[in-house]
Amino acid sequence: EPEVTQTPSHQVTQMGQEVILRCVPISNHLYFYWYRQILGQKVEFLVSFYNNEISEKSEIFDDQFSVERPDGSNFTLKIRSTKLEDSAMYFCASILRGPNTGELFFGEGSRLTVL
Amino acid sequence: DAKTTQPNSMESNEEEPVHLPCNHSTISGTDYIHWYRQLPSQGPEYVIHGLTSNVNNRMASLAIAEDRKSSTLILHRATLRDAAVYYCILRLGNEKLTFGTGTRLTIIP
Repeated sequence: EPEVTQTPSHQVTQMGQEVILRCVPISNHLYFYWYRQILGQKVEFLVSFYNNEISEKSEIFDDQFSVERPDGSNFTLKIRSTKLEDSAMYFCASILRGPNTGELFFGEGSRLTVL
Repeated sequence: DAKTTQPNSMESNEEEPVHLPCNHSTISGTDYIHWYRQLPSQGPEYVIHGLTSNVNNRMASLAIAEDRKSSTLILHRATLRDAAVYYCILRLGNEKLTFGTGTRLTIIP
């Protein structure tokens, strides 16, 4: 069964450091997403990406965050200068066409711990 | 996003059917009803979605009320692996999925 893969599974970093979380979406999918989940809280939307540009972003996705699809397969989330409150699980997701056409596939997540 | 209301938690016995309710009284005519679940320490997982008619797949059934103001996710025979948080989400067009707090389902062996 196709799957979305994310690396690293867990990253520990010092406050102020840059972090890059990587995702390999399912190969023929066209829409990509990042979500995050702070421990014990809801899954929160960060950003959606289609046709090599951001299609929507949340208030959480400020100037410290960026996304790119550098090589047509990877989809990355960069946090420029991490804060303690960025500690969370980050989930990547992808879907073939528009989201109402079916199933959004999520990865297993990358746990980010900021010290 | 149109709002959904789900019970915070439910319990069910293993090998029995489970009916997870969701109220969405402000649903619009073009909102799709999606269900996802999140097993412990995993990412969300698609379960099922529908618009007006009842839907069945290998995981579950979705029963949608005639007025579409409520729906029920039915797990026909619960197993321990079905213990998860279940999210009922309304989506209009190509909008993002917006997760609420969901229903935490506990399966009793």
